Amino acid sequence: SQTIHQWPATLVQPVGSPLSLECTVEGTSNPNLYWYRQAAGRGLQLLFYSVGIGQISSEVPQNLSASRPQDRQFILSSKKLLLSDSGFYLCAWSYRANIQYFGAGTRLSVL
Amino acid sequence: AQSVTQLDSQVPVFEEAPVELRCNYSSSVSVYLFWYVQYPNQGLQLLLKYLSGSTLVKGINGFEAEFNKSQTSFHLRKPSVHISDTAEYFCAVSPIVGGSQGNLIFGKGTKLSVKP
Repeated sequence: SQTIHQWPATLVQPVGSPLSLECTVEGTSNPNLYWYRQAAGRGLQLLFYSVGIGQISSEVPQNLSASRPQDRQFILSSKKLLLSDSGFYLCAWSYRANIQYFGAGTRLSVL
Repeated sequence: AQSVTQLDSQVPVFEEAPVELRCNYSSSVSVYLFWYVQYPNQGLQLLLKYLSGSTLVKGINGFEAEFNKSQTSFHLRKPSVHISDTAEYFCAVSPIVGGSQGNLIFGKGTKLSVKP
């Protein structure tokens, strides 16, 4: 069966510090991968998605970037965090853009 | 472009009562429809989906939803809720263009609070 892992579960970072969140999927190959941000009362915002290694599409211009160095690895990064980057970050995968399956999420607090 | 409206941001209900969480969408193309549930500090879990076929779909935990194309709705129902159903519920659509499925578009969520 397929599983998705996200870490860390929680993270507290100072403003201006770098960020790296990692997501890995097991039990499938060539999945579509997604990063979402969830802010209170605002639902889920799609940040990035990837249909293959090195292929990244950005939905919203912002202070964040994503990379897919391996088939089942998706990384969300920032060089300098802003207060507005605080939120709950969710990684998801799907097979051929069908049903999406979500990880447990990372709670990021930028102080 | 597509949009999803969840008409109620919060729904309080007593245990064993029925509940309906409303979802309407707007799209100029055909869509697939989904309901996800999110328990506190957890990721989203798929409750049910409508891809084609019967417009009444049954999901996990006793939930069901009915696709109404004329009213562009996909309301979620449960005849008798439990305390454990307390969570946030998200409706989502995915457009179908040229035989390919697009990314999910989510509503803002409905917080279901089940009281004893």
